[in-house]
Amino acid sequence: EAGVAQSPRYKIIEKRQSVAFWCNPISGHATLYWYQQILGQGPKLLIQFQNNGVVDDSQLPKDRFSAERLKGVDSTLKIQPAKLEDSAVYLCASSYRDVNTEAFFGQGTRLTVV
Amino acid sequence: AQSVSQHNHHVILSEAASLELGCNYSYGGTVNLFWYVQYPGQHLQLLLKYFSGDPLVKGIKGFEAEFIKSKFSFNLRKPSVQWSDTAEYFCAVIPYGNNRLAFGKGNQVVVIP
Repeated sequence: EAGVAQSPRYKIIEKRQSVAFWCNPISGHATLYWYQQILGQGPKLLIQFQNNGVVDDSQLPKDRFSAERLKGVDSTLKIQPAKLEDSAVYLCASSYRDVNTEAFFGQGTRLTVV
Repeated sequence: AQSVSQHNHHVILSEAASLELGCNYSYGGTVNLFWYVQYPGQHLQLLLKYFSGDPLVKGIKGFEAEFIKSKFSFNLRKPSVQWSDTAEYFCAVIPYGNNRLAFGKGNQVVVIP
């Protein structure tokens, strides 16, 4: 079974620039998550999709972060403009039904904002 | 604020030693509990989970965890660690009806051969 694919693996940008991350979940998984993991902390949920609808985006900084999941499959997460404190690993995960079924994680995208 | 607490962020031990990682949560009511592991250079993966039933849960690679409701705890244990257990371990909790997987800060475990 193919895992959750994310790209790019690494990204370095200057503050105030924009950046986008891409995620392809496991085929057939209805739920997709984006997490932010800052160094030394556990992953923090940014947004959760059920198919192509948003279930939870309460912790997404909506003034600069946006995410979409077109056709209920792939998803993109965008940051515009980036701040220094956005430096983190951005993890995508998917699960068959909801988070109570096992969530499978991608390798993540390491973002460095300079 | 509701949270998941993991103490002793860095743990260093020798092969064959026993490992216990503590996890406490502050959510009231029913919760689903998880331990995830991230080996160096790899993605997060599920180690074990507890939803209901026997509070002693056995996972992969000889790990087990015990849910103690009265202590709001879900501690992870392994009687004899191997060098390959070097990894970061995360406790995670889903409060019933919330559907948000909340992670602790993680424990970085290094096993010395």
